[in-house]
Amino acid sequence: SQQGEEDPQALSIQEGENATMNCSYKTSINNLQWYRQNSGRGLVHLILIRSNEREKHSGRLRVTLDTSKKSSSLLITASRAADTASYFCATEGMTDKLIFGTGTRLQVFP
Amino acid sequence: NAGVTQTPKFRVLKTGQSMTLLCAQDMNHEYMYWYRQDPGMGLRLIHYSVGEGTTAKGEVPDGYNVSRLKKQNFLLGLESAAPSQTSVYFCASSYGGQGNSYTFGSGTRLTVV
Repeated sequence: SQQGEEDPQALSIQEGENATMNCSYKTSINNLQWYRQNSGRGLVHLILIRSNEREKHSGRLRVTLDTSKKSSSLLITASRAADTASYFCATEGMTDKLIFGTGTRLQVFP
Repeated sequence: NAGVTQTPKFRVLKTGQSMTLLCAQDMNHEYMYWYRQDPGMGLRLIHYSVGEGTTAKGEVPDGYNVSRLKKQNFLLGLESAAPSQTSVYFCASSYGGQGNSYTFGSGTRLTVV
């Protein structure tokens, strides 16, 4: 069963706009990670946020974590066409295994 | 610096045939994983290994077997392929333990007819 569910399932925006994706999960976690997948490729790690952190930044990426609501959001600022991809959240709980959500497909139009 | 390499990249099997997918990593990672990705289902863990000589079942292990005879290699076997095993298979590796990211291969697209 999936631990995380991303919302929305699909998102279309224009270049320069911000893209926000949300992830909800069910059980307690130690950390939450976001991955990106370009069409036909493997997943690439973007950012990790630990359960005792509330916000983290990496370049144009901003991740927030609210453990009381069991949710996280990924914000991509000033989107570019090259950001077009699927984005997955993954949670790590007591077991050393990541459980992935179903993903958000982001389309950025030039 | 290859990272995680999966072979083959594409394969078409007939129902009942068997095959082995190979995953090799050159990062000295302890843990390795096999996932399958189906439309609308995200990634689901098939089997994983926390070290050479060890394997364990994931969320969807039925119909698959694995072996980790060498630290750098993790093999996924399909004994008798079924159309339900049509999927994209991804291998990943990590240092293991909490808070480590995974490095993924580029995937194997398998079609069972």
